[in-house]
Amino acid sequence: RKEVEQDPGPFNVPEGATVAFNCTYSNSASQSFFWYRQDCRKEPKLLMSVYSSGNEDGRFTAQLNRASQYISLLIRDSKLSDSATYLCVVMYSSASKIIFGSGTRLSIRP
Amino acid sequence: EPEVTQTPSHQVTQMGQEVILRCVPISNHLYFYWYRQILGQKVEFLVSFYNNEISEKSEIFDDQFSVERPDGSNFTLKIRSTKLEDSAMYFCASNGVGSYEQYFGPGTRLTVT
Repeated sequence: RKEVEQDPGPFNVPEGATVAFNCTYSNSASQSFFWYRQDCRKEPKLLMSVYSSGNEDGRFTAQLNRASQYISLLIRDSKLSDSATYLCVVMYSSASKIIFGSGTRLSIRP
Repeated sequence: EPEVTQTPSHQVTQMGQEVILRCVPISNHLYFYWYRQILGQKVEFLVSFYNNEISEKSEIFDDQFSVERPDGSNFTLKIRSTKLEDSAMYFCASNGVGSYEQYFGPGTRLTVT
């Protein structure tokens, strides 16, 4: 089983739609969780950290379910600029290795 | 807004040559990382560095790789004898104390011919 698993997509949705991504991780010792976005041939950019209590940043909502070992990202009212690859990231502890999922491609159409 | 910088943006080298990739992390950050991403594949962890020593490294980071923080600002990745399969984008990242949020540089595209 992969350490971090994501649906590769692509998700192709119309502007204004709501889209949700899930990610599962295999190591229960994982401590920190993040969503990054990556545009083609660019560096990963931090979108948001993910907490057990759930957190929201504008149109983006992230949830963590430790019992089931999955993380989710919800994007509401999607914009054309949301088109990117969304990376689920798991970290074991400070200064330790970070594991990236393979990413989910999202394409927003006008 | 402070950012991680990397040089060069693109490096072409011949197989067997040594390369040094340079990074300037965000100035008050203390944890530093190198990752690579082969074209079309996922981002892979190489090494983490804290307090002037390696904290953790992956199986990719073999004896051909080394990291150094030669002064207070630069963080370098050296590949001693490059192979064709080292061709990839190499990203440097850093985070500060009390935060696990890593910020990435724009990457160096390494092409080994």
